Amino acid sequence: QITLKESGPTLLRPTQTLTVTCTFSGFSLSTSGMAVGWIRQPPGKALEWLALIYWDDDRRFSPSLKTRLTITKDTSKNQVVLTMTNMDPVDTATYYCAHRLPVTSWDYFDHWGQGTLVTVSS
Amino acid sequence: QSALTQPRSVSGSPGQSVTISCTGSFSDVGTYNYVSWYQQHPGKAPKLMIYDVTKRPSGVPDRFSGSKSGNTASLTISGLQSEDEADYYCCSFAGVDKVFGGGTKLTVL
Repeated sequence: QITLKESGPTLLRPTQTLTVTCTFSGFSLSTSGMAVGWIRQPPGKALEWLALIYWDDDRRFSPSLKTRLTITKDTSKNQVVLTMTNMDPVDTATYYCAHRLPVTSWDYFDHWGQGTLVTVSS
Repeated sequence: QSALTQPRSVSGSPGQSVTISCTGSFSDVGTYNYVSWYQQHPGKAPKLMIYDVTKRPSGVPDRFSGSKSGNTASLTISGLQSEDEADYYCCSFAGVDKVFGGGTKLTVL
């Protein structure tokens, strides 16, 4: 059974750096084909893909946010960490981590965490 | 503004069929067969319903089907049930990016 859970701050001040951790179980990020991604959703708005890290440490980022994002994995802890610098109120959103559906040609997310709401406000 | 355009809302009665459209461009939906659909109930995480335009993950009822014509992908839900009432998001490959639609609220009357 695959599960994922996000953890991190609920409130940030503008210009601070966000660090959110995804702790997962039921799969290993050292297994070929596996990947974990991050997607966010501002309140009442649409989903937005942020970043993805693969089993071989390949990383992909949203072009519009690439300069602000870092994604790392710790396979021994079954964790993936996303950092986003220079946070702004428009970055207020629920941040989800998700498991990539394996054995597919592209990246689809078949298991999601419950999400963590991050509010950016002064 | 989302890269993929979806109707803000659609509705249907139980037992009926509804189709949700997702219009992109030659740069995404029109060229690549990497379209997916996600269902999201209020306060819940999204759920993958369709991938590779037409494929259903294990456990998704065959009432849900996907298709594509030109720059527009579609999700059809047949035999509507009350539990289908949710927001639906399309997503497409777009070069180095993954773009989502703005979402469609499905109301089951």
